[in-house]
Amino acid sequence: NAGVTQTPKFRVLKTGQSMTLLCAQDMNHEYMYWYRQDPGMGLRLIHYSVGEGTTAKGEVPDGYNVSRLKKQNFLLGLESAAPSQTSVYFCASSYGSSRRDYEQYFGPGTRLTVT
Amino acid sequence: GDSVTQMEGPVTLSEEAFLTINCTYTATGYPSLFWYVQYPGEGLQLLLKATKADDKGSNKGFEATYRKETTSFHLEKGSVQVSDSAVYFCALIPTPLMYSGGGADGLTFGKGTHLIIQP
Repeated sequence: NAGVTQTPKFRVLKTGQSMTLLCAQDMNHEYMYWYRQDPGMGLRLIHYSVGEGTTAKGEVPDGYNVSRLKKQNFLLGLESAAPSQTSVYFCASSYGSSRRDYEQYFGPGTRLTVT
Repeated sequence: GDSVTQMEGPVTLSEEAFLTINCTYTATGYPSLFWYVQYPGEGLQLLLKATKADDKGSNKGFEATYRKETTSFHLEKGSVQVSDSAVYFCALIPTPLMYSGGGADGLTFGKGTHLIIQP
């Protein structure tokens, strides 16, 4: 099992450019998440999905769009990148369950710099 | 809303020292509590968890007890090693409105504590 993988690992964008970050998981998880990590801020939830074809907004959704066309993939899009979106982006996945002790499995992260 | 507060550090200790990283939370009801660890250049890994009051989570020599009366979940280890150097995040899942599909909203994280262990 590869677990949760993210593509690319690093990216530099100019202001106004667009890009898509890809997250893939091979654990048959229902739920998937996108977080951003900024110094002194911890991780903040951008968007999440509770199943194929569904998406929902998290704490900081502005400037991002997501899609979950296949159960194993969760895409994060930046339509017009801004310097404020410079961050490390983490994808995570988990089982869909009523259990409250479920674990989220994280990918290795994508470091994005917007100049 | 829900929130998690933890000491930010960096916390610098010598090898074999005793470790405590404080974590307190604000949430309604009975959240589940977690400690995640992030080693340099990697994603987060679950270290331990607790789902109800007085539960103790433990793993790799680390422990944390869910204290509802003080809304705390402090991380402790009796003797740290250089390999424990990492960033530690306290996190919670709020009480789900309905138990089916609970936890879909994602984790609420503290800001992280950078731990440095010197040989």
